[in-house]
Amino acid sequence: DVKVTQSSRYLVKRTGEKVFLECVQDMDHENMFWYRQDPGLGLRLIYFSYDVKMKEKGDIPEGYSVSREKKERFSLILESASTNQTSMYLCASRLGTSSSYEQYFGPGTRLTVT
Amino acid sequence: LAKTTQPISMDSYEGQEVNITCSHNNIATNDYITWYQQFPSQGPRFIIQGYKTKVTNEVASLFIPADRKSSTLSLPRVSLSDTAVYYCLVGEKNSGAGSYQLTFGKGTKLSVIP
Repeated sequence: DVKVTQSSRYLVKRTGEKVFLECVQDMDHENMFWYRQDPGLGLRLIYFSYDVKMKEKGDIPEGYSVSREKKERFSLILESASTNQTSMYLCASRLGTSSSYEQYFGPGTRLTVT
Repeated sequence: LAKTTQPISMDSYEGQEVNITCSHNNIATNDYITWYQQFPSQGPRFIIQGYKTKVTNEVASLFIPADRKSSTLSLPRVSLSDTAVYYCLVGEKNSGAGSYQLTFGKGTKLSVIP
């Protein structure tokens, strides 16, 4: 089974702090994604990466950056956390050569910025 | 990106068949239709994917009419454990990046009643 893990299930940070959210997948997938999920808004794509060192902006990239130095790891960075970034963050991966749209999701990180 | 519209919520009794319809009027020729399921405090899970006519797996069936402007997810004989949010997505290939970007809407919250 594909396993996608995220560094923390719950995280509390202060406004202005730099925050790193880590995601690791163990199935050699080329594509990785970061979403945030908020009540009433569903899942929204922040950034995705189709291969190592590659990144593409999603629908809401403002206030975020990403890093993909190794194939199995995709990091989401909040340079200066703000209260409106309090949310559930979900990481996903996908086999790049597959014709399927199936993405495998991690358990999520619930981030609270105070 | 093709936009999808689906009901916000649905209720059903245990043992009944549930049909959730999604409209995607501006679906492109190469787009596939994908459905995900999400339980509380978990990441979404892939259910089924299709291009046209009917697709069936061990979990659900997906019906897509000839014009492909809508699709219907059918869950046979639902149980309490099927209570979840169901997302309809139209996948789009990012030709420049060679990756598949999915846009999640707000989903349909299905409540199964004993």
